[in-house]
Amino acid sequence: ETGVTQTPRHLVMGMTNKKSLKCEQHLGHNAMYWYKQSAKKPLELMFVYSLEERVENNSVPSRFSPECPNSSHLFLHLHTLQPEDSALYLCASSRQAGRGEKLFFGSGTQLSVL
Amino acid sequence: ILNVEQSPQSLHVQEGDSTNFTCSFPSSNFYALHWYRWETAKSPEALFVMTLNGDEKKKGRISATLNTKEGYSYLYIKGSQPEDSATYLCAPSGSSGSARQLTFGSGTQLTVLP
Repeated sequence: ETGVTQTPRHLVMGMTNKKSLKCEQHLGHNAMYWYKQSAKKPLELMFVYSLEERVENNSVPSRFSPECPNSSHLFLHLHTLQPEDSALYLCASSRQAGRGEKLFFGSGTQLSVL
Repeated sequence: ILNVEQSPQSLHVQEGDSTNFTCSFPSSNFYALHWYRWETAKSPEALFVMTLNGDEKKKGRISATLNTKEGYSYLYIKGSQPEDSATYLCAPSGSSGSARQLTFGSGTQLTVLP
């Protein structure tokens, strides 16, 4: 148990669906992250939130929409996704954003887009 | 985003063997180097965070060294056990701009055969 919980663990959606991924951290951290792991690619940073403000957006398409209502919760809203968006989506948190802070990861959501 | 290379890509060793992997990264604008261990069906877990040239860290049978001047880090596992089977990820971060966030390598997938 790393203190970072993600739901759902698995998600299958059609290209016209709208779904949301949820992440919750119980570590008292101030920064939260979304990462994407596609097949045979390294972990790619998507978004970083620090104290509920988005501080990084790595040129992610607008069909991915993050939301951070408070420092413990992070959502990733998905709409009109493409099959190439099928991947493992990992949430992480750290005490502060960036630099030397150790990341604590959730177990991920395995997303399949049909 | 930094250029990070890990080698080898995958490795099979016999139980009891010692092994090591390499992580290469740009030596300029360096701030920190992280190592993570990612077991199948689990979350990535931080092993080490190193910031100073010449740093050596140890956790049980696993140790790591850092050379920031030439841009590389080694991870060593002494007397490998089947439970060491995992993907080992390195992730450097820079000191400014978007490089402040971690950039992950593709990982070294270790399989320890009993």
